[in-house]
Amino acid sequence: DSGVTQTPKHLITATGQRVTLRCSPRSGDLSVYWYQQSLDQGLQFLIQYYNGEERAKGNILERFSAQQFPDLHSELNLSSLELGDSALYFCASSPRRSDYGYTFGSGTRLTVV
Amino acid sequence: QQQVKQSPQSLIVQKGGIPIINCAYENTAFDYFPWYQQFPGKGPALLIAIRPDVSEKKEGRFTISFNKSAKQFSLHIMDSQPGDSATYFCAATAGTASKLTFGTGTRLQVTL
Repeated sequence: DSGVTQTPKHLITATGQRVTLRCSPRSGDLSVYWYQQSLDQGLQFLIQYYNGEERAKGNILERFSAQQFPDLHSELNLSSLELGDSALYFCASSPRRSDYGYTFGSGTRLTVV
Repeated sequence: QQQVKQSPQSLIVQKGGIPIINCAYENTAFDYFPWYQQFPGKGPALLIAIRPDVSEKKEGRFTISFNKSAKQFSLHIMDSQPGDSATYFCAATAGTASKLTFGTGTRLQVTL
């Protein structure tokens, strides 16, 4: 157990729907990162939050949004889902605003049908 | 310029062999190069990392070789074991960016 908890582990939904993925960081970690892992694109950085504020943004679609709450857990919201959004979504956390290494959770597998 | 190119895509070695996975980068601002190991159903886990001021780093059976002038780095697994069968990702990041740019992964299978 890495200490980073992601729920749910699996999610199957239809095109056009909206889903929310949840992440609880390791105790004491203030930064949360979201990555998307697909077969053709590998691991792609989506977004980072530090202590409730957005710090860095990657190739995140406008249909996707995230936030980090006062208790430091984070949610990734995916809307108007398309078949191509099917992927593994990983959350990671680290202690500081800027860290070279961080701890990944086990991921949420999203299947859009 | 942000890409990290990784090869091979897959690799099969016998137990005790030394698999080698190679990565190349273009962005000279990258200053930290970690390797991650991922087992099925799990998230990537940090294995070993190197900075460009050293040419080699060893941790147990895992060694990173770094060639700054060629902008290449590689992972060697000594005395490989079936338990090393996993997907390995190289990555790179620059300064205080925190964002990791990952290679496409190498699926390693170590046979008995």
